[in-house]
Amino acid sequence: DAGITQSPRHKVTETGTPVTLRCHQTENHRYMYWYRQDPGHGLRLIHYSYGVKDTDKGEVSDGYSVSRSKTEDFLLTLESATSSQTSVYFCAISESLGTLALGEQYFGPGTRLTVT
Amino acid sequence: DQQVKQNSPSLSVQEGRISILNCDYTNSMFDYFLWYKKYPAEGPTFLISISSIKDKNEDGRFTVFLNKSAKHLSLHIVPSQPGDSAVYFCAASEDSGAGSYQLTFGKGTKLSVIP
Repeated sequence: DAGITQSPRHKVTETGTPVTLRCHQTENHRYMYWYRQDPGHGLRLIHYSYGVKDTDKGEVSDGYSVSRSKTEDFLLTLESATSSQTSVYFCAISESLGTLALGEQYFGPGTRLTVT
Repeated sequence: DQQVKQNSPSLSVQEGRISILNCDYTNSMFDYFLWYKKYPAEGPTFLISISSIKDKNEDGRFTVFLNKSAKHLSLHIVPSQPGDSAVYFCAASEDSGAGSYQLTFGKGTKLSVIP
């Protein structure tokens, strides 16, 4: 299994509070991704990173920000959590050949976030 | 508009028989296709992939078929085993321009293999 950990694994928070989820990898992969999984929607990309300090938006980026100050860590922040952000969040990584990401992505175990 | 569609939310198959999971896509720019398996409370696990230049890829009990003209792919599992019971996600990707392949997922099909 790819060395990907996510913390916390479970979190309950109140509407309006800031929340930060952490993804940590030991594979030294260039590309990292944040997805959310909701019933009836599959997995949807929130943000991704193609290098240290290099990030871009995905399909559902509103209300989320990310940061990557080190190769191994990719942080997802909800500045002011809302009930619509209750979800399971997955981090993923992928290898690269030069600057080109390879197609396969490997996922972490997920973080279940509940916003009350 | 959903670009990757898995129209069967669930599928039940007898142990030892073939499981066929289907996936349709609408974006002709997709050039790489993947299948993931997901158990409850775990992250998705990569299963098998296929490039758009191929029409078949096989890995043990798992075979993926791609029909580009129909924009359709399928995953065949032969023989099916109880441990294959999971949710299967179809995913597709295209080079976004930054060299990063963004995956677009279907909603998943829950496979139940009955002993």
